[in-house]
Amino acid sequence: SQTIHQWPATLVQPVGSPLSLECTVEGTSNPNLYWYRQAAGRGLQLLFYSVGIGQISSEVPQNLSASRPQDRQFILSSKKLLLSDSGFYLCAWSVKGAKGAFFGQGTRLTVV
Amino acid sequence: GENVEQHPSTLSVQEGDSAVIKCTYSDSASNYFPWYKQELGKRPQLIIDIRSNVGEKKDQRIAVTLNKTAKHFSLHITETQPEDSAVYFCAARTGGTSYGKLTFGQGTILTVHP
Repeated sequence: SQTIHQWPATLVQPVGSPLSLECTVEGTSNPNLYWYRQAAGRGLQLLFYSVGIGQISSEVPQNLSASRPQDRQFILSSKKLLLSDSGFYLCAWSVKGAKGAFFGQGTRLTVV
Repeated sequence: GENVEQHPSTLSVQEGDSAVIKCTYSDSASNYFPWYKQELGKRPQLIIDIRSNVGEKKDQRIAVTLNKTAKHFSLHITETQPEDSAVYFCAARTGGTSYGKLTFGQGTILTVHP
């Protein structure tokens, strides 16, 4: 069966520090991968999606970037965090052609 | 692009009552509509979904209906229980076979009082 791992679960970082969140999927090949952010207002905002290695699409301009160095690995990064980057970050995957997306456990990021 | 509106933003019911959450979407090309449940501090979990060629789908106490003409779909929970308390998100999917973007509603906080 497929599983998705996301780490760390919580993170407190100072303003201006770098960020690296990692997500890996097991049990499937060539998945679509996503990074979402959920702010205090509860909505899920799509940040990036990837349909293959090295293929990244950004949904909104921001202080973040994403990379997909391997088929089942998706990384969210920032060179310098802002206070507004605080939130709950969720990685997700879906099978191509299928419909649903399945989420990782999330990373609660607090920028102080 | 697609826009999904979800109502109400909060819903409070007594245990045993029914709960209904409604969503509308803007893109007539959307063809898949999942619902997610998110408990406090946890990840959203897919609980039920419906495709555009189906009008209704039921899974035990949960059902979803879709009206393509009016571009709205609803989640129905019957015989609610305290463990149904959570945030519920609707979503709509557009796109081709390789990638379909899910656009989420803003969520509904459901509270079931014992």
